[in-house]
Amino acid sequence: DADVTQTPRNRITKTGKRIMLECSQTKGHDRMYWYRQDPGLGLRLIYYSFDVKDINKGEISDGYSVSRQAQAKFSLSLESAIPNQTALYFCATSAQGNEQFFGPGTRLTVL
Amino acid sequence: GQSLEQPSEVTAVEGAIVQINCTYQTSGFYGLSWYQQHDGGAPTFLSYNALDGLEETGRFSSFLSRSDSYGYLLLQELQMKDSASYFCAVRDQTGGFKTIFGAGTRLFVKA
Repeated sequence: DADVTQTPRNRITKTGKRIMLECSQTKGHDRMYWYRQDPGLGLRLIYYSFDVKDINKGEISDGYSVSRQAQAKFSLSLESAIPNQTALYFCATSAQGNEQFFGPGTRLTVL
Repeated sequence: GQSLEQPSEVTAVEGAIVQINCTYQTSGFYGLSWYQQHDGGAPTFLSYNALDGLEETGRFSSFLSRSDSYGYLLLQELQMKDSASYFCAVRDQTGGFKTIFGAGTRLFVKA
């Protein structure tokens, strides 16, 4: 079984809809992250959480919100999706070290 | 703020050696990581440097010079399977040790 899972893997939605992307991990890590990836822009940090009661904004948090429901679960929400939020979204986890473990990604298309 | 620069593309021949450079600007530098990402896949961790010098892991080595705000990833004995994107990433102490990624270097290995 994969250590970091993301659901859904693909989603097509319309402008203005609310979308939730979910991430679960079985690695026992405290730290979880959400990134978006756009061609030519690399990975940009949206939100990160170092434990259940800790939520921090990343580089590009506007238009997004997160919820850390448990140590193993970290969800990303788009309250009102817009087309420029079309991207590949990755969840990642880490222990206190430097290596991050990424999920398989969610490809989101906003029409 | 933080910024990282790396070449957008590099092409090399199978069996050769290639170096991918990364320069960074950040106020709270803590360490430099490298990740590999194949098309359609998730990023995977390759190496981490916190101190000046060379770290070797098999065919891959990573170098850091903190005084020059510069690092590189060296890939030796290139194989076709090394064709992928490579991202440098800075771990930054400001805002709680978040990681900021560069835009990535796409490596093409030719036969």
